[in-house]
Amino acid sequence: DSGVTQTPKHLITATGQRVTLRCSPRSGDLSVYWYQQSLDQGLQFLIQYYNGEERAKGNILERFSAQQFPDLHSELNLSSLELGDSALYFCASSERTSSTDTQYFGPGTRLTVL
Amino acid sequence: AQTVTQSQPEMSVQEAETVTLSCTYDTSESDYYLFWYKQPPSRQMILVIRQEAYKQQNATENRFSVNFQKAAKSFSLKISDSQLGDAAMYFCAYRSTAPTGNQFYFGTGTSLTVIP
Repeated sequence: DSGVTQTPKHLITATGQRVTLRCSPRSGDLSVYWYQQSLDQGLQFLIQYYNGEERAKGNILERFSAQQFPDLHSELNLSSLELGDSALYFCASSERTSSTDTQYFGPGTRLTVL
Repeated sequence: AQTVTQSQPEMSVQEAETVTLSCTYDTSESDYYLFWYKQPPSRQMILVIRQEAYKQQNATENRFSVNFQKAAKSFSLKISDSQLGDAAMYFCAYRSTAPTGNQFYFGTGTSLTVIP
């Protein structure tokens, strides 16, 4: 158990809908990262937050947005969902934002868009 | 942009034998980190081993070791005395030291089967 929690574990929804994925980092970690893992693909970095502020952006679609709250938990919002958005979404956390920090991954949320 | 390539989609190894998983990467940076992550059927991402590019010595963690060839941009993982619990998807990852972010760049993974 990495100490990073993600809810829900599974999510099934329809095209055009909007969902929110939630992540709670390890106690004391200030950075949160979001990744998308599509079928048979490696993980793609989406976005990073550090202490409430956006720190880095990767291959995140405009239909997707995220935020980190004062209690440091983070939410990833996915809207106007398409079939291709079906994937495993991982959250990871690290103590700070230094490249020497280890990132701890959560168990992931499996999103299925029908 | 950095790219990570794992050319072996699937590998198998006999229990107690040794297997090597390949990874190559492309970067123009001189300082960076390389990782191997394991993803068992539970889908959790588990850190196996980490290598700093500025270190010439290859990292070792118990039965896991790497062969880091910086000039060749190669980073292979050797698993010795393979166990049934080693069966998983293995991802090679690159992480920049750039101050603008510490995101990973992952390969597409190698699925390892351990044969009893």
